[in-house]
Amino acid sequence: SQKIEQNSEALNIQEGKTATLTCNYTNYSPAYLQWYRQDPGRGPVFLLLIRENEKEKRKERLKVTFDTTLKQSLFHITASQPADSATYLCALDGYGQNFVFGPGTRLSVLP
Amino acid sequence: DAGVTQSPTHLIKTRGQQVTLRCSPKSGHDTVSWYQQALGQGPQFIFQYYEEEERQRGNFPDRFSGHQFPNYSSELNVNALLLGDSALYLCASSLGDKRYEQYFGPGTRLTVT
Repeated sequence: SQKIEQNSEALNIQEGKTATLTCNYTNYSPAYLQWYRQDPGRGPVFLLLIRENEKEKRKERLKVTFDTTLKQSLFHITASQPADSATYLCALDGYGQNFVFGPGTRLSVLP
Repeated sequence: DAGVTQSPTHLIKTRGQQVTLRCSPKSGHDTVSWYQQALGQGPQFIFQYYEEEERQRGNFPDRFSGHQFPNYSSELNVNALLLGDSALYLCASSLGDKRYEQYFGPGTRLTVT
């Protein structure tokens, strides 16, 4: 069955450092992968999308890589700030397949 | 520019009852998807509506049904509620029958007792 794993339930890092979150998947052929941010009690907010034929995408302090051979995406937040503290979700979509979210990683950026 | 709105915010129902949740998409969007999010988990895809038809469905029983109206707003209906249906129900809108760059509403918190 389709499975998405995110590296850990929680990740604590120091302000100013780079946060790296991992998304691994099995039994899925994604057309694209997305990353969302979710704050407590609120709906997810779209951050970035990367397609199957793209290796890397950047947006301001965010960078996403996508390796379809390793079946893995890395999500980086550079110069992290306490305001970046949230749960980050990866999501996959593919032709004829269900849209699937990962369980999320709760990031805490410590001042 | 109004974002995605959902009603009600919170709801408490008894096991066996039926519930209807409502969603208005972001202005200019024509596709609505519904998700169920249990505490501490990622959202699970229930179904997607585009052009007033259910286009795709996740692994949810027939107790979960929906509708999309000509103005693109949507309803999620759940019959014969179970305790396990307690969750945050999220509505997301997008343009076209795609699911990228979805805009999510704040959700409806359903508690089944």
